[in-house]
Amino acid sequence: NAGVTQTPKFRILKIGQSMTLQCTQDMNHNYMYWYRQDPGMGLKLIYYSVGAGITDKGEVPNGYNVSRSTTEDFPLRLELAAPSQTSVYFCASSYPSVGTEAFFGQGTRLTVV
Amino acid sequence: DAKTTQPNSMESNEEEPVHLPCNHSTISGTDYIHWYRQLPSQGPEYVIHGLTSNVNNRMASLAIAEDRKSSTLILHRATLRDAAVYYCILMWSGGSNYKLTFGKGTLLTVNP
Repeated sequence: NAGVTQTPKFRILKIGQSMTLQCTQDMNHNYMYWYRQDPGMGLKLIYYSVGAGITDKGEVPNGYNVSRSTTEDFPLRLELAAPSQTSVYFCASSYPSVGTEAFFGQGTRLTVV
Repeated sequence: DAKTTQPNSMESNEEEPVHLPCNHSTISGTDYIHWYRQLPSQGPEYVIHGLTSNVNNRMASLAIAEDRKSSTLILHRATLRDAAVYYCILMWSGGSNYKLTFGKGTLLTVNP
C-alpha cells in the first residue's frame, strides 16, 4: 500500500536556489494538499487542489507555486528559497467529502541555509 | 472557520484510559468534528470523526456533547505508541472545499 509518497525526504538548499517537492498518491483522490510545519507548531496549509487543473491558495502561499496536471501528482515548487522556508512539508490527499479521512505523506524536511 | 481549544499537554500512564478534551463553542450545525494525531517525526494520521452521535472505531471513541460545543477523544487503554500530538479539527460541510485547519493540538505523554 503506497498511499501518499513524498520525495525527497530531506534536502538542504542554499538561499536563492529553487527546487520541487514531489507528491504522488495512488488512491485516485480528487483532493490534494500541501502543508508546512514549523518546529512546535501545527500544520499550515500552503496550497490545495480539488482536481486536475484546479489549484487554490491556502493560508501561507507566498514563495510557493503548484500545478496539478494529473490526479496522481501535486508538486510544490520553491522558486527562490529563503531561510523562512525552512520547515517540514507534508502532502495529503482525500476524497471530496467532509466525512472521510485525509492521508498524509511522511514529510520532506527542508533546510535553507 | 470555527475554532477549537485544546489543552497544550496531557499525561497518562500506560494501560489507563485517556480523555482528551476539545472545546468548539462556535461550532455550526454543518461542522464535522475530526481528530488526527501526529506521532514523532511522522505525518498526521486520521483517528476518528463525527457529527452529532458518539462514534467508536478500533483506535478510539469520540464523545460529543449534546450541544456539540465540546467533544472528547477517548483512548481506552493508552500504550506507549499513543504518545503523540492530537489535533481536534472542525471541517465545514457547507461548501465543496474540504480543508483541514490545524491548531497546536494536545501533546500526550504516556508514562510506562
